[in-house]
Amino acid sequence: EAGVVQSPRYKIIEKKQPVAFWCNPISGHNTLYWYLQNLGQGPELLIRYENEEAVDDSQLPKDRFSAERLKGVDSTLKIQPAELGDSAVYLCASSLGGPGANVLTFGAGSRLTVL
Amino acid sequence: QQQVKQSPQSLIVQKGGISIINCAYENTAFDYFPWYQQFPGKGPALLIAIRPDVSEKKEGRFTISFNKSAKQFSLHIMDSQPGDSATYFCAATGGYNKLIFGAGTRLAVHP
Repeated sequence: EAGVVQSPRYKIIEKKQPVAFWCNPISGHNTLYWYLQNLGQGPELLIRYENEEAVDDSQLPKDRFSAERLKGVDSTLKIQPAELGDSAVYLCASSLGGPGANVLTFGAGSRLTVL
Repeated sequence: QQQVKQSPQSLIVQKGGISIINCAYENTAFDYFPWYQQFPGKGPALLIAIRPDVSEKKEGRFTISFNKSAKQFSLHIMDSQPGDSATYFCAATGGYNKLIFGAGTRLAVHP
């Protein structure tokens, strides 16, 4: 079974440029998460989807960040415009609903460097 | 109240030794406490988890000890191996699938 797939794995852009990250969760996982991981820190939740509905986006900086999960499967996280402080790893994770809801499977992440 | 505090920040253990990582939390509504293991260039992977109705859970060489009254839990890695060298994160959640992660412990197991 394929795990959570993320792309691109690495992205280098100049500040003020836009960037987008894509995530394909595990088949059948209704819940999808985007986490931010700064260097030497634990992951921090940006947004959580239940199917196609964003049910927790309280930590998403909405002035420059946006996300979508059309059709309740793949998801895209966008930053526009990027700032130097956005350099980090963006992790996507997915989980089942019900009893398996707390078991998150993470992708390998997309490492963003903003110059 | 949403924080999970993890220590130490880094840990060096000799092969065959015991690695111990500690976490503390404040929110008494937390009811699920997982540990994740992360290798460089990879995403975190669930290692072992515990709920507060038990004080200890063991899976192979990995054991979680849980102290509900002290609001603390710890990961013990017995017979530590060089392959265990990774960053370990404790986490906690009290529902709504919102995991709060600790800052991580970088473990190095020397041969």
